[in-house]
Amino acid sequence: DTGVSQDPRHKITKRGQNVTFRCDPISEHNRLYWYRQTLGQGPEFLTYFQNEAQLEKSRLLSDRFSAERPKGSFSTLEIQRTEQGDSAMYLCASSIRDYYNEQFFGPGTRLTVL
Amino acid sequence: DQQVKQNSPSLSVQEGRISILNCDYTNSMFDYFLWYKKYPAEGPTFLISISSIKDKNEDGRFTVFLNKSAKHLSLHIVPSQPGDSAVYFCAAKFNAGGTSYGKLTFGQGTILTVHP
Repeated sequence: DTGVSQDPRHKITKRGQNVTFRCDPISEHNRLYWYRQTLGQGPEFLTYFQNEAQLEKSRLLSDRFSAERPKGSFSTLEIQRTEQGDSAMYLCASSIRDYYNEQFFGPGTRLTVL
Repeated sequence: DQQVKQNSPSLSVQEGRISILNCDYTNSMFDYFLWYKKYPAEGPTFLISISSIKDKNEDGRFTVFLNKSAKHLSLHIVPSQPGDSAVYFCAAKFNAGGTSYGKLTFGQGTILTVHP
C-alpha cells in the first residue's frame, strides 16, 4: 500500500502564472477529493470525483480552477492566473465507495503565490 | 458559515493524563463523524470515527463520544503520550438524499501538546 501521493510537494509561482498539481490515489479507491487548507483552518472541500466523473464542485472553486481525472486514476488540479489568495495547502484524498470508510489523505502541495 | 467548530485552538496536557478535545456542529443532517490527526508537513491521518446511531466508539487509547442532542462530540486520549502532540481535526459528513458523495466538513483544528 503506497498511500496517496501528490506532486509537487511545494510550488512557488508569481501572480498570474498557471500551476498544475497531480494526485495519485490508492489504486483500488474509486473516489477522489480535493481540499484546500489555509493557515489556522481545517481543510475545505473543493471537488469530488467518482471514477472519472466530477460529481460535485464547491463554490470555492472559481472559474480559474479546473480538475480532471482521466481514466479514473490520477487527478490533476489546475489553477489559471494565480492570485495571492490562492496560496494554501492543496490536499488530495481518496476512498473506496463505502460511505462508512475514511478518506486517506496525501501529504499535500503547498502553493505560494508571490 | 462554520458548520463544524473546534473552539479551543490549543490544549496542553501532561504525559500520562487524559486529553479531551471538543467539537461542536450545527448541521443536524450530519450522520458520521471522524477525527483526524495532522503532523507538520504531512496530510491528515484518520484516527477514529463514529456513526450518529452510536454515542461512543473506542479504539485503544482513543474514545470518541457523541451527544446528538447537544450537537457535540469529544475525543478522549488516555493516557496521553508525547507522540500524540499534533493538530487534531474533527470532521463530519452526511448522506445527501441517498447520493452519498462523502465530502468532509472540517473544524479549525486543536493543537495538542503533550509534555513529558
